[in-house]
Amino acid sequence: GDSVTQMEGPVTLSEEAFLTINCTYTATGYPSLFWYVQYPGEGLQLLLKATKADDKGSNKGFEATYRKETTSFHLEKGSVQVSDSAVYFCALRTGGFKTIFGAGTRLFVKA
Amino acid sequence: DAGITQSPRYKITETGRQVTLMCHQTWSHSYMFWYRQDLGHGLRLIYYSAAADITDKGEVPDGYVVSRSKTENFPLTLESATRSQTSVYFCASSESIGAGGPGHEQFFGPGTRLTVL
Repeated sequence: GDSVTQMEGPVTLSEEAFLTINCTYTATGYPSLFWYVQYPGEGLQLLLKATKADDKGSNKGFEATYRKETTSFHLEKGSVQVSDSAVYFCALRTGGFKTIFGAGTRLFVKA
Repeated sequence: DAGITQSPRYKITETGRQVTLMCHQTWSHSYMFWYRQDLGHGLRLIYYSAAADITDKGEVPDGYVVSRSKTENFPLTLESATRSQTSVYFCASSESIGAGGPGHEQFFGPGTRLTVL
């Protein structure tokens, strides 16, 4: 079945460091891929998305490129801030009702 | 308020009691979802609804009941709460479910933290 695997956390970085959170997927068909962010005490918010191969999603300095050949959708940011501390979820959707979420990666950014 | 809201935000109950978690959205989205979030499991789908009076089971439906008499409301009921149902529950909605079309992303409520003693 469809699945999403993302790197285990927590990831701890200093402010202004480069961030990569790895995400790989297994899916039949042609999924849309998403990154959601969850700040403490809140629900998930859509961070960015890509709907077809080679698309790049971007938002708030975060980027991820849909790589069909490596079935990956890694999240990157060039310079993280303390306010980026949150849990990040990679997800896929192939149509139908179901969105498959990864287990989440917690990011801590130190000042 | 516009958006998607959940109530209560926090609930403590005892084993065997019935509990209902409320979800309300103001966008008139057709699709609504209930997830539970547990450490190490990410989000798991409990039930979903495609429209008023149309609901179906997700990945972990046992012990839960849903209804959807109005488009904007999607309550989740635990008929006889168990300790294993201690979790954070999220409601979500989306305009469509097509994989690549517009409006297919999900919007989440703030969650309800439920503790069953």
